[in-house]
Amino acid sequence: DAKTTQPNSMESNEEEPVHLPCNHSTISGTDYIHWYRQLPSQGPEYVIHGLTSNVNNRMASLAIAEDRKSSTLILHRATLRDAAVYYCILMNYGGSQGNLIFGKGTKLSVKP
Amino acid sequence: EADIYQTPRYLVIGTGKKITLECSQTMGHDKMYWYQQDPGMELHLIHYSYGVNSTEKGDLSSESTVSRIRTEHFPLTLESARPSHTSQYLCASSGGFRAQGKLFFGSGTQLSVL
Repeated sequence: DAKTTQPNSMESNEEEPVHLPCNHSTISGTDYIHWYRQLPSQGPEYVIHGLTSNVNNRMASLAIAEDRKSSTLILHRATLRDAAVYYCILMNYGGSQGNLIFGKGTKLSVKP
Repeated sequence: EADIYQTPRYLVIGTGKKITLECSQTMGHDKMYWYQQDPGMELHLIHYSYGVNSTEKGDLSSESTVSRIRTEHFPLTLESARPSHTSQYLCASSGGFRAQGKLFFGSGTQLSVL
């Protein structure tokens, strides 16, 4: 099963950009890269996803390496409400549920 | 906005009781999942379903059971609760290719078994 590797924790200052890395060296050609975040005492929420090209939405940007073996979630201006655990997971829409492995994620702390 | 609901939000129960955690979604999603998460730890997939009458065990062994009689409903049952079952249980659903596989999570049920 394709798995991801993320740093355990990162710190950021409020209103500064944050780059959260994720390695997925065993990614297959049909795996989509998804990012979710989990605020304290809540279920995870979707942030962004992509396949090959970089993606932008109102929450974040996703930069995908050309070889797809790594990706970076970019929060352009961190706020205190962005403090959460961020998960990078690989999803294969063909149906193999073994790919839905969340791992420990990266705990992002945001300082005022 | 997610339309997936879990009840109860919190449950404190004595050892040996039978419990059912409810999960319902109004998005018509075929795929539904149950995850278990201890405080500060990662999510573990314990059950999933591809559709009505389809259920599979996840990567973490669990004494719980699930059923999928209706598309929108995916309850989880513990026949005899034990303190080792104390954890947060999170239900999720996804809509397949059109929804590009996005997972939508409920708010979770925090279960405490005394």
